[in-house]
Amino acid sequence: DTGVSQDPRHKITKRGQNVTFRCDPISEHNRLYWYRQTLGQGPEFLTYFQNEAQLEKSRLLSDRFSAERPKGSFSTLEIQRTEQGDSAMYLCASSSIGARDEQYFGPGTRLTVT
Amino acid sequence: GNSVTQMEGPVTLSEEAFLTINCTYTATGYPSLFWYVQYPGEGLQLLLKATKADDKGSNKGFEATYRKETTSFHLEKGSVQVSDSAVYFCALRSSGGSYIPTFGRGTSLIVHP
Repeated sequence: DTGVSQDPRHKITKRGQNVTFRCDPISEHNRLYWYRQTLGQGPEFLTYFQNEAQLEKSRLLSDRFSAERPKGSFSTLEIQRTEQGDSAMYLCASSSIGARDEQYFGPGTRLTVT
Repeated sequence: GNSVTQMEGPVTLSEEAFLTINCTYTATGYPSLFWYVQYPGEGLQLLLKATKADDKGSNKGFEATYRKETTSFHLEKGSVQVSDSAVYFCALRSSGGSYIPTFGRGTSLIVHP
């Protein structure tokens, strides 16, 4: 069990560019979650998958955001036409159906939009 | 909707001091309550949880009791160590539904030797 990993750990981009983040969950976990965390705030839910199906999306997930989990393993989160307000830490977590309250978090990807 | 309110930090203590971090919540029904900890440079980790009124969650010397009458879930530890320095997040999850937690803003704890 290597834990949840996220790549990259840091990303600096110019406004208007597209960015993509990757999350590799714990291998036997079939639920995967994305959160956004801004400075001084707790994580805010964005979306989650059960296997490859995206089951819920937050109102925070604007049309510029898209997430995929094509084979029910790793997931990607893409932000198109980035804005300065997108600067935040993007967290990924995973859990198993049998222990849905036990979410294991990755270290996050810090996005800075200049 | 659901919300969690935590005391503002940072909380600064000397080693071996008693710790309390206050957490109150607003939710309908009977939510489950959690404390997560985030050490510098690491992801959030579930520290403890309680799923019904009067339950006490405990782990690594930390405790919290689910108080429905005061809608609170305060985190306590009798004797903190420097290694407890971290950010602590209180969270709740509504009964049923999609198991998505609502987090508080976090409270930073700094423990000095």
